[in-house]
Amino acid sequence: NAGVMQNPRHLVRRRGQEARLRCSPMKGHSHVYWYRQLPEEGLKFMVYLQKENIIDESGMPKERFSAEFPKEGPSILRIQQVVRGDSAAYFCASSPRGGTEAFFGQGTRLTVV
Amino acid sequence: AQTVTQSQPEMSVQEAETVTLSCTYDTSESDYYLFWYKQPPSRQMILVIRQEAYKQQNATENRFSVNFQKAAKSFSLKISDSQLGDAAMYFCAYRAYTGTASKLTFGTGTRLQVTL
Repeated sequence: NAGVMQNPRHLVRRRGQEARLRCSPMKGHSHVYWYRQLPEEGLKFMVYLQKENIIDESGMPKERFSAEFPKEGPSILRIQQVVRGDSAAYFCASSPRGGTEAFFGQGTRLTVV
Repeated sequence: AQTVTQSQPEMSVQEAETVTLSCTYDTSESDYYLFWYKQPPSRQMILVIRQEAYKQQNATENRFSVNFQKAAKSFSLKISDSQLGDAAMYFCAYRAYTGTASKLTFGTGTRLQVTL
């Protein structure tokens, strides 16, 4: 049973470009969480999704950021018009249902130049 | 809102010795989970140990144990017989017990160095 898969592991974007981060949850998991880790900081919650539904997006910036988890395929975190302050590690975690143990992927390190 | 505080940015321990990492939290809930995660240089978040708030007994996983003081809202991690492979960032985290509030709230981390 493969773990949570995130790709790419490293992503470099120029200011103003779009970044798409993908997360494939563990088999049988229908709940996905996205977290952001700025340099030398802890992880900060961004958004919690179930298949085709956003359950909690209280940690998402109001502009430029969006997330989806379609019925088929991976969850996508999309950042439009990236700025240098978006440079961070973005982690995805999945669980079989809400309130249960979540397993983390290895993260995507986004660098905006 | 729940908050998690780790007041030790860095700690150092000699190999084979014991070290305790501190964590305090704030919540108005009576039922919740607490966790310690390890993040080595590979960045992978590894669950070290977890504690259910309704359990009075402190959790233990091999060389790792916690001191959970619910009234004081304190949740420290003790690492016994420290090994070089224990060197990493350690994050304390809180999660509500059930329902849609399943997100984790993390502290800012403690960097643990293990010396020979």
